[in-house]
Amino acid sequence: DIVMTQSPLSLPVTPGEPASISCRSSQSLLHSNGNNYLDWYLQKPGQSPQLLIYLGSTRASGVPDRFSGSGSGSDFTLKISRVEAEDVGVYYCMQALQSPITFGQGTRLDIK
Amino acid sequence: EEELLESGGGLVQPGGSLRLSCAASGFRFSNYWMSWVRQAPGKGLEWVANIKEDGSEKYYVDSVKGRFTISRDNIKNSLWLQMSSVRAGDTAVYYCARYRIPGNYFDCWGQGTLVTVSS
Repeated sequence: DIVMTQSPLSLPVTPGEPASISCRSSQSLLHSNGNNYLDWYLQKPGQSPQLLIYLGSTRASGVPDRFSGSGSGSDFTLKISRVEAEDVGVYYCMQALQSPITFGQGTRLDIK
Repeated sequence: EEELLESGGGLVQPGGSLRLSCAASGFRFSNYWMSWVRQAPGKGLEWVANIKEDGSEKYYVDSVKGRFTISRDNIKNSLWLQMSSVRAGDTAVYYCARYRIPGNYFDCWGQGTLVTVSS
């Protein structure tokens, strides 16, 4: 199974400041078709997860452009250019290159 | 509006069975792969199972193989997870999710249903 490792696990951020979360996979997520099968999800307090980014860098519909995804192979980053209060929650990366689909442990973002 | 609504959770004894349901609305259910993802209390997300649009392909995480069965009815716009021989480790909120292929991502989630395995 592909192991997904996120860092940091806790991320306190001042509103208006940037934030960055790293996700590393135990195997490359780059498919021969050129796609990286890496997604990012946010689970806000008391809610179901919601899709933020898929294929490593494509923002999902309705996701603010302050969220961006980058990286390739085994090393990926989610960046928030300016954190807002509504961004609090747990962020998960997920690999969908091969079964079983696996998630990172989650990174809890809260406001300082 | 696209919506997934789970039901069927509850308290079940170890070794018992439970059937979870997911009702889909607001989109053409038969055009999409569907999945179950679970989350143990205070823990992270764990993918459980996928099923192809026509039900011809099914995939499971190793920990539930032989115990859980995913199925669907495209006429009823419904997805199910039959859980058998449940264990304490199966205690979790179970989410129904739409799985988009190509792209391989979950773009629509239900609100979840809690399954508690305890004597």
